[in-house]
Amino acid sequence: DAKTTQPTSMDCAEGRAANLPCNHSTISGNEYVYWYRQIHSQGPQYIIHGLKNNETNEMASLIITEDRKSSTLILPHATLRDTAVYYCIVPGAGSYQLTFGKGTKLSVIP
Amino acid sequence: EAGVAQSPRYKIIEKRQSVAFWCNPISGHATLYWYQQILGQGPKLLIQFQNNGVVDDSQLPKDRFSAERLKGVDSTLKIQPAKLEDSAVYLCATGAGGETQYFGPGTRLLVL
Repeated sequence: DAKTTQPTSMDCAEGRAANLPCNHSTISGNEYVYWYRQIHSQGPQYIIHGLKNNETNEMASLIITEDRKSSTLILPHATLRDTAVYYCIVPGAGSYQLTFGKGTKLSVIP
Repeated sequence: EAGVAQSPRYKIIEKRQSVAFWCNPISGHATLYWYQQILGQGPKLLIQFQNNGVVDDSQLPKDRFSAERLKGVDSTLKIQPAKLEDSAVYLCATGAGGETQYFGPGTRLLVL
């Protein structure tokens, strides 16, 4: 699996966009970037994934740089319920396995 | 669609006792995973099943941990005997293929 680097923690004001960065400089050409989050006392929840194009779903947007060495998860209008630990993961191609780091603890502040 | 079910949600035991956790996956999901999450850390994969066969158990402490997946559906994870350092949340996840996994709520184990 490619190694990922994320900030330990971030704060975001409620209603503002939360931009969570992730570095994955050793990513291979056929490896996807996955984002999961874990709200306190719950299991991790899948958010979004992408290969090279930007992706958007009902939860978030994923922006991947052209060289694919970094990405940003965007929560467009953060709410208090988005307070969680966010994990950026680059699984080995076809491995179907996730290696979780420590992630970024996002605190949404009223 | 029903999610991944796990039971019990909480368990307190004394060291050297045994304990078992149960997971019922999302219907039709062939891949099932067990993770251990120690406080303050991300989940760590213990074992991966594809249907009722083990794909990867390289990180399962086999001297005390065992797991099985009955008929490719439900799964149990057992610890015997438990140690203090086994105190953690045990998460079950399932998938239909690919790296998108759906997690249950976890079982919180405290070993005294």
